[in-house]
Amino acid sequence: TQLLEQSPQFLSIQEGENLTVYCNSSSVFSSLQWYRQEPGEGPVLLVTVVTGGEVKKLKRLTFQFGDARKDSSLHITAAQPGDTGLYLCAGRTGYQKVTFGTGTKLQVIP
Amino acid sequence: GAGVSQTPSNKVTEKGKYVELRCDPISGHTALYWYRQSLGQGPEFLIYFQGTGAADDSGLPNDRFFAVRPEGSVSTLKIQRTERGDSAVYLCASSLFLNTEAFFGQGTRLTVV
Repeated sequence: TQLLEQSPQFLSIQEGENLTVYCNSSSVFSSLQWYRQEPGEGPVLLVTVVTGGEVKKLKRLTFQFGDARKDSSLHITAAQPGDTGLYLCAGRTGYQKVTFGTGTKLQVIP
Repeated sequence: GAGVSQTPSNKVTEKGKYVELRCDPISGHTALYWYRQSLGQGPEFLIYFQGTGAADDSGLPNDRFFAVRPEGSVSTLKIQRTERGDSAVYLCASSLFLNTEAFFGQGTRLTVV
């Protein structure tokens, strides 16, 4: 079983602060994805990273895939209340199913 | 429809009853996935289909759970003799092909009382 541990599990910050969420595993993944999920909705894909060391930016969000393709991080700059949600990393090995991480619940207080 | 549709959105059933959860994927998507999610946790894989066949059902927790996709489109997740521990949100997703972006439905919230 491929386990993806996310930290922190919960995060409550003030609007304008920066934050980083980590996703770690002992397994190597061919690709890793980050999703955001709002209450009552399904997860929505934010980004996919496939190359070790890859960095992708999506407005105020920066995603990095570890060199060994076992871990990833999500950094949010100047968080806004609209960033509130459950952030999920998910890894895939080859043509196998996607395995989700344990989740990080983010609350941004205005 | 434009997205993945799951019905019902909410289902309350008594312990021991049988339930069926339906998923209508995006038209033309060949891969379909079922996940189960507890509050505040990441989705847990149950099963995925490539076309009509279950390519990987290793996540089904026991033989009370069964899923079908007879025509390669709509899928039904079936749970027999429901238990209180089955209470969760059941998510369905579909993708054009196995290794492409998956789109999720809003889920069915199942409550077993």
